[in-house]
Amino acid sequence: ETGVTQTPRHLVMGMTNKKSLKCEQHLGHNAMYWYKQSAKKPLELMFVYNFKEQTENNSVPSRFSPECPNSSHLFLHLHTLQPEDSALYLCASSQVGALGEAFFGQGTRLTVV
Amino acid sequence: KQEVTQIPAALSVPEGENLVLNCSFTDSAIYNLQWFRQDPGKGLTSLLLIQSSQREQTSGRLNASLDKSSGRSTLYIAASQPGDSATYLCAPGGSGNTGKLIFGQGTTLQVKP
Repeated sequence: ETGVTQTPRHLVMGMTNKKSLKCEQHLGHNAMYWYKQSAKKPLELMFVYNFKEQTENNSVPSRFSPECPNSSHLFLHLHTLQPEDSALYLCASSQVGALGEAFFGQGTRLTVV
Repeated sequence: KQEVTQIPAALSVPEGENLVLNCSFTDSAIYNLQWFRQDPGKGLTSLLLIQSSQREQTSGRLNASLDKSSGRSTLYIAASQPGDSATYLCAPGGSGNTGKLIFGQGTTLQVKP
């Protein structure tokens, strides 16, 4: 496996469900990110983790709960979502302190029904 | 707060044309700037990374320039091909190499055979 891998690729969940998105990076980077891409809107940064520590929460509702157990894995736990949370969720990683080039996964297409 | 504008929003050209995509940003205190390509429903593919001290970067038929002081970057695509059809995104990285990227709406390019 190379690059940044996200699972699942597609997810349909009801508003009362609990689900998790997974991201794994194989690049040896020290920072990982969650972005949200809604229709007709620019990508929005949600969370930033540097060296497993959360350094930014961009005013994201508490129904989104990130977890970073180590520098290679990032999760986004979802619960009691709303239909407007339907979007493409993208994970990225980069090496802070070096060139800083960011690499993205293929995303998880989330539909909340 | 960094704001990114990409012009034009959409572009349709015949194969073989040379193209210029424009990006402007409001805060010139950036660490770097990346250009990405996004195919429909997919993740982002990094095309070029320009450090704040650089003026341009080239990769194959792609050339990106950066004028940090005026808050502008340009992506030049030479001899466009139908396979270049995608959305192109510009993303300046914040000062201090935090890895945080701010995105514009992108330019959606269609290259007709």
